[in-house]
Amino acid sequence: SQKIEQNSEALNIQEGKTATLTCNYTNYSPAYLQWYRQDPGRGPVFLLLIRENEKEKRKERLKVTFDTTLKQSLFHITASQPADSATYLCALADSTLTFGKGTMLLVSP
Amino acid sequence: DAGVIQSPRHEVTEMGQEVTLRCKPISGHNSLFWYRQTMMRGLELLIYFNNNVPIDDSGMPEDRFSAKMPNASFSTLKIQPSEPRDSAVYFCASSLSGGRTNEKLFFGSGTQLSVL
Repeated sequence: SQKIEQNSEALNIQEGKTATLTCNYTNYSPAYLQWYRQDPGRGPVFLLLIRENEKEKRKERLKVTFDTTLKQSLFHITASQPADSATYLCALADSTLTFGKGTMLLVSP
Repeated sequence: DAGVIQSPRHEVTEMGQEVTLRCKPISGHNSLFWYRQTMMRGLELLIYFNNNVPIDDSGMPEDRFSAKMPNASFSTLKIQPSEPRDSAVYFCASSLSGGRTNEKLFFGSGTQLSVL
């Protein structure tokens, strides 16, 4: 069966460090992969999209990698700040957009 | 420019009652999506519309759920009769064009539904 896995445990890091979040999937052949940020009580907000033929995509302090052989995407936030604390969701674009359950990131000062 | 607008923000109802959730997509967007979010199951796609026509309703849990999009600026999700297991946050989202999966979704703030 199709599955998208993100770490269910919160990731705690110190301000200034690089946060790395993982998204693994099985039985999908996504053409695109998207990352969203969700704050408590709010809807998800789009951050980045990466295509299957792209290895890496950057936007300011954010970097996403996409390895279709490993069936994995990594999401990095460099020089993390307390304001980056949120839940981050990956979404696989197959026939529709299917979301993982997300990983909570907590950045402490 | 206003984003996706959902109402109500919170709904508390008793089992067996009818619940109607409302959504106004971003003007000019042609695709509209209804998602449900719970801790156990995460964010699940219920149904999506393209140009007001339902394209995929395979995620609708059962016949108690129905969705309509009478025009480009309004959609409803109805649950009748509601049950406690329907308690969740319901999100509406819209995207610019034909629901192609390379497009980003714009989400509303959600409706927190509690069925007692």
